[in-house]
Amino acid sequence: EVQLVESGGGLVQPGGSLRLSCAASRFTFSNYWMSWVRQAPGKGLEWVANIKQDGSEKYYVDSVKGRFTIFRDNAKKTLYLQMNSLRAEDTAVYYCARVGVQPLWGQGTTVTVSS
Amino acid sequence: QSVLTQPPSVSGAPGQRVTISCTGSSSNIGAGYDVNWYQQLPGTAPKLLIYGNRNRPSGVPDRFSGSKSGTSASLAITGLQAEDEADYYCQSYDNRLSGWVFGGGTKLTVL
Repeated sequence: EVQLVESGGGLVQPGGSLRLSCAASRFTFSNYWMSWVRQAPGKGLEWVANIKQDGSEKYYVDSVKGRFTIFRDNAKKTLYLQMNSLRAEDTAVYYCARVGVQPLWGQGTTVTVSS
Repeated sequence: QSVLTQPPSVSGAPGQRVTISCTGSSSNIGAGYDVNWYQQLPGTAPKLLIYGNRNRPSGVPDRFSGSKSGTSASLAITGLQAEDEADYYCQSYDNRLSGWVFGGGTKLTVL
């Protein structure tokens, strides 16, 4: 089955770090731009970052610039989001998504930033 | 404040037709970028409902349809059913942000 599976979420203290992973299966991962999208509790969807097929271009929403880094390993068919200096407002379900004519989303992983 | 504007809520009786609007600007929908629509049930991931403005993925009933004109797009749902009660989001690409933009979401209530 064509799918994306996120992992790496959890509870972290403010100021802490976390790395999310997104494993792709049954499609040519290296052919696609990839994105991270998040949804805070009771809120709407917010695009976080995206990355070009070869990793040469990366873009971020202003609120995470300088704190989050998106990167990928095409050989492992895996997308990552390194999150540093985490804040309470980063608490959300994080989804990875394949960018394209017909987007594909994972099921999400939950990040909770709290002391 | 979402980049794309949707009504917070819409409602309709079973069997009726409802539409959800999505208004953008010249840097996203108006620039010609496609609009996608998602349905989200409580506690679940968003499900792709319409892609490329008007196309339905396999398995999505033809009661759901999408359209786009200028800087706006619309999702229409005909023959409303209780199971359609959910949150709906529009999404496009914005060339000023170089990333996806979303509407704030519309909660559909089936009366």
